[in-house]
Amino acid sequence: ELKVEQNPLFLSMQEGKNYTIYCNYSTTSDRLYWYRQDPGKSLESLFVLLSNGAVKQEGRLMASLDTKARLSTLHITAAVHDLSATYFCAVEKETSGSRLTFGEGTQLTVNP
Amino acid sequence: DSGVTQTPKHLITATGQRVTLRCSPRSGDLSVYWYQQSLDQGLQFLIQYYNGEERAKGNILERFSAQQFPDLHSELNLSSLELGDSALYFCASSGRLAGPNWDEQFFGPGTRLTVL
Repeated sequence: ELKVEQNPLFLSMQEGKNYTIYCNYSTTSDRLYWYRQDPGKSLESLFVLLSNGAVKQEGRLMASLDTKARLSTLHITAAVHDLSATYFCAVEKETSGSRLTFGEGTQLTVNP
Repeated sequence: DSGVTQTPKHLITATGQRVTLRCSPRSGDLSVYWYQQSLDQGLQFLIQYYNGEERAKGNILERFSAQQFPDLHSELNLSSLELGDSALYFCASSGRLAGPNWDEQFFGPGTRLTVL
């Protein structure tokens, strides 16, 4: 059974600081996603990572994928308050009907 | 706006009742997925339909059922509701499932179900 684990689950950081969220998964996968969710809202797709060594950046967020280690990271650079949200990684396997298996989520709070 | 619509946005009902959640996928998408988000279980996959046929099943209770209609909209039926069924239910849709032209899933706004 595919399992996805994120850490930390809660992250409180100051504006201007850098931090990394980690996502480990238990079996090989076809795609890895990062989503952002604001309270009571839907999931907003941030990144889709397809292959080993993939790196994508958007603003202050950068995601990377190491398929050999089954690890993805979401790095936050110079955090700002607007980044406060819950971040989920999710793994997709085509042989499982392309369902998404989600991590527990990381609740990020950026303090002024 | 993802192009996926869900109705209703909020639903409050009592234990033992039955409700129907509706999802309209993005134009042209053949595949619909249902996910449940609760404090206890996190985000988990329930069921997937592709062009009217059930394709994959996840942790869906026997009290829950779904279908996809010829116009590709989908309904999730929840019956004999319990307090623990209170959750945010998301629908997602995608086009192609596999191969080089795969398509990611796009999520609707969700339906918040409260069982009292």
